[in-house]
Amino acid sequence: NAGVTQTPKFRVLKTGQSMTLLCAQDMNHEYMYWYRQDPGMGLRLIHYSVGEGTTAKGEVPDGYNVSRLKKQNFLLGLESAAPSQTSVYFCASSSGQGSNEKLFFGSGTQLSVL
Amino acid sequence: DAKTTQPPSMDCAEGRAANLPCNHSTISGNEYVYWYRQIHSQGPQYIIHGLKNNETNEMASLIITEDRKSSTLILPHATLRDTAVYYCIVRASFGEAGNTPLVFGKGTRLSVIA
Repeated sequence: NAGVTQTPKFRVLKTGQSMTLLCAQDMNHEYMYWYRQDPGMGLRLIHYSVGEGTTAKGEVPDGYNVSRLKKQNFLLGLESAAPSQTSVYFCASSSGQGSNEKLFFGSGTQLSVL
Repeated sequence: DAKTTQPPSMDCAEGRAANLPCNHSTISGNEYVYWYRQIHSQGPQYIIHGLKNNETNEMASLIITEDRKSSTLILPHATLRDTAVYYCIVRASFGEAGNTPLVFGKGTRLSVIA
């Protein structure tokens, strides 16, 4: 039972390069989220999805795009990476937004933009 | 804008109870309070959540004031393994009604000391 899997775990980019982070969950969860974490900043929500084919902006969406073509996958894209996007990225999923919503997190992706 | 307020750091002696406070004075009447923790650089882990009544599970107890403007997470017998950042979180003020995501603040860094 893998839970939430993030790929890759580490990546180094040059400014202006593009890349896609993949999040996969095997719990049949409807909701998926992308957060970023910078030192001393806690987690900030980038984008989220409440179901297959849907996406919505979070607190810090600029510079990122997402897609949820399949229920089990949530992709986070950086079209033109900037040093300010150096961060640890966490993906999470949940079964829904009710009284018992629990977020399950992946192990994170450490991204460095030089 | 942060919807919760937590002290940035706390210390607790091993074996003693750790009481972590959180202020959420703008919480709405039907909104739950959730607690998560993050050990080292791992993904956050769910601890407990509550609405009005006090809650207890195998990890912790949650005490919510009668006016629901604040709550306290209690780890009854803290161990070194409980050293982590603890987040008190509620739903965002943005997003479609019924689909508002959970947003994290900076949390409280709890250090359990031997």
